[in-house]
Amino acid sequence: EAGVTQFPSHSVIEKGQTVTLRCDPISGHDNLYWYRRVMGKEIKFLLHFVKESKQDESGMPNNRFLAERTGGTYSTLKVQPAELEDSGVYFCASSRSSGGYNEQFFGPGTRLTVL
Amino acid sequence: LAKTTQPISMDSYEGQEVNITCSHNNIATNDYITWYQQFPSQGPRFIIQGYKTKVTNEVASLFIPADRKSSTLSLPRVSLSDTAVYYCLVGDEDRGSTLGRLYFGRGTQLTVWP
Repeated sequence: EAGVTQFPSHSVIEKGQTVTLRCDPISGHDNLYWYRRVMGKEIKFLLHFVKESKQDESGMPNNRFLAERTGGTYSTLKVQPAELEDSGVYFCASSRSSGGYNEQFFGPGTRLTVL
Repeated sequence: LAKTTQPISMDSYEGQEVNITCSHNNIATNDYITWYQQFPSQGPRFIIQGYKTKVTNEVASLFIPADRKSSTLSLPRVSLSDTAVYYCLVGDEDRGSTLGRLYFGRGTQLTVWP
């Protein structure tokens, strides 16, 4: 079974540009999460999809961030326009939809550098 | 939300047993205790989860005392490849969502030396 994949692995852009990160969850996982770690900080939750619906987006830092999951499969996270403080590693995770505590499977992350 | 406290770093030699203790004094009745491991340039990976007493799997053991205010992750006979950051998470199954976010702290950087 393939794990969670993320693309690109690295992205270097200039301030003001737009970047789109992609996450492909494990097949059959209805739940998809985005997290990020900025330099020196803890991994922080951004948002949670259940299928194509946003279950919880309270962690999104501001309206420059837009996450989508059309069709309930892969997800994209767009940052527009990017700012210096957006630099960090963005992780995607997925989990099944059954009840109880669900293990989240993480992708390798996308390292975003904004210059 | 139960806050967790764990050592920032630990060192060990190959072949030794490593115990990482996590404090979570405000743990709620519905909270589970979960440990994740993260290698450099990778995402966190689930290791083990428990609610009370002891849980053991092929990777580690998790010891939880009766009051559940702390927990200890035990790694038997560590090798160089166990060098990683270990996160203790206390998460809920309740609060209206069984599939919610994970709260990561700073974790414990374990370094295993030859």
